[in-house]
Amino acid sequence: DAGVIQSPRHEVTEMGQEVTLRCKPISGHDYLFWYRQTMMRGLELLIYFNNNVPIDDSGMPEDRFSAKMPNASFSTLKIQPSEPRDSAVYFCASSFFGTDLVGGSNQPQHFGDGTRLSIL
Amino acid sequence: AQTVTQSQPEMSVQEAETVTLSCTYDTSENNYYLFWYKQPPSRQMILVIRQEAYKQQNATENRFSVNFQKAAKSFSLKISDSQLGDTAMYFCAFMGYDSWGKLQFGAGTQVVVTP
Repeated sequence: DAGVIQSPRHEVTEMGQEVTLRCKPISGHDYLFWYRQTMMRGLELLIYFNNNVPIDDSGMPEDRFSAKMPNASFSTLKIQPSEPRDSAVYFCASSFFGTDLVGGSNQPQHFGDGTRLSIL
Repeated sequence: AQTVTQSQPEMSVQEAETVTLSCTYDTSENNYYLFWYKQPPSRQMILVIRQEAYKQQNATENRFSVNFQKAAKSFSLKISDSQLGDTAMYFCAFMGYDSWGKLQFGAGTQVVVTP
């Protein structure tokens, strides 16, 4: 079974450029989460979707950040324009309501390997 | 809103010794889950152990065990017989029934296992 797939694994770009991070959740999962991890702030939840609909975007830092989930198998997190302070590791995670904690893998969320973003 | 507090930024332990990581949380919910995640340098997020709040028995997974004190809202992780591969950042996380699917993480504790 393929896990959550994120791309790219690393991204280095210059300030002011548009950055797009991609995520493919586990097939059949109906929740998708975007996190940002920095030394200063730890793991922050940016936004999450349920059945492709954004439920809570209160963690999105500012209007430069946007996230979409056009279908159940794909999501993007976009930063435009990017700034050096956006440098971080961005994680995507997915889960399925209920059953993951009843049995099986016992995972509340399955995480991707993250994208390390560096804005110069 | 729930908060999760890990007060130890870093812990060092020698191989084969035991280390205990602390975690406290604040919630008004009665039904919830608590988790410990491990993040090694590879930056994968690996679930170590989970605890259902309605269960009085403390969870154990091989060398990992928790001390869950519901009244005190405390959820510590004990790593016994520490191994070099245990070197990682450890995160405590909370998920309430009212916010099903949404994890609230603590700031993390860096564990360094030395030979």
